[in-house]
Amino acid sequence: AQSVSQHNHHVILSEAASLELGCNYSYGGTVNLFWYVQYPGQHLQLLLKYFSGDPLVKGIKGFEAEFIKSKFSFNLRKPSVQWSDTAEYFCAVNANPGPPSKLVFGAGTILRVKS
Amino acid sequence: NAGVTQTPKFRVLKTGQSMTLLCAQDMNHEYMYWYRQDPGMGLRLIHYSVGEGTTAKGEVPDGYNVSRLKKQNFLLGLESAAPSQTSVYFCASSYPRLGTTYEQYFGPGTRLTVT
Repeated sequence: AQSVSQHNHHVILSEAASLELGCNYSYGGTVNLFWYVQYPGQHLQLLLKYFSGDPLVKGIKGFEAEFIKSKFSFNLRKPSVQWSDTAEYFCAVNANPGPPSKLVFGAGTILRVKS
Repeated sequence: NAGVTQTPKFRVLKTGQSMTLLCAQDMNHEYMYWYRQDPGMGLRLIHYSVGEGTTAKGEVPDGYNVSRLKKQNFLLGLESAAPSQTSVYFCASSYPRLGTTYEQYFGPGTRLTVT
């Protein structure tokens, strides 16, 4: 079965520190990749997505992610975090691109940014 | 344009009671999904629908039923609630346009507690 692994369940950083959240998936074929964010008390919002082309994708709020096919990875990065980045981050994979787009989610990483 | 809405936001049930969660979307999306979110497990797909009148099982369908009588609504039913169904339930929708990443749009969630 397809699976998505997020390596850290809890991350605590100080403001201005750099962030990298790991995501690995198990499927070997064509994939669509997503990072979603859930701010406290809010619903999931899309941060960024990879469909094809440039493996370095940029999303909202200064986030970016790099797709490394050989490593089955799609790590999320941000050079300098802010207190407002405190949230839970989910990596998701669609291992059969096309309808109906069934996503497999990782367990999530809770990020707390100290001001 | 409200996006994806869910009713109710919170609910407490006793074991054996039944209830229906309502999801509505105003984006004319064909596909709709129900997920449950449990701590440390990310989101898991319960059921999904690729169009009005159609439903299909996801990863964790047992104990749930769904119906899609209208394109804009997707109902999730619990016939006999169990404590194991205590969770946060998210509805999502997406559109099937070719050449897109079939991004899913999420509702705000329903927090259900079964005692």
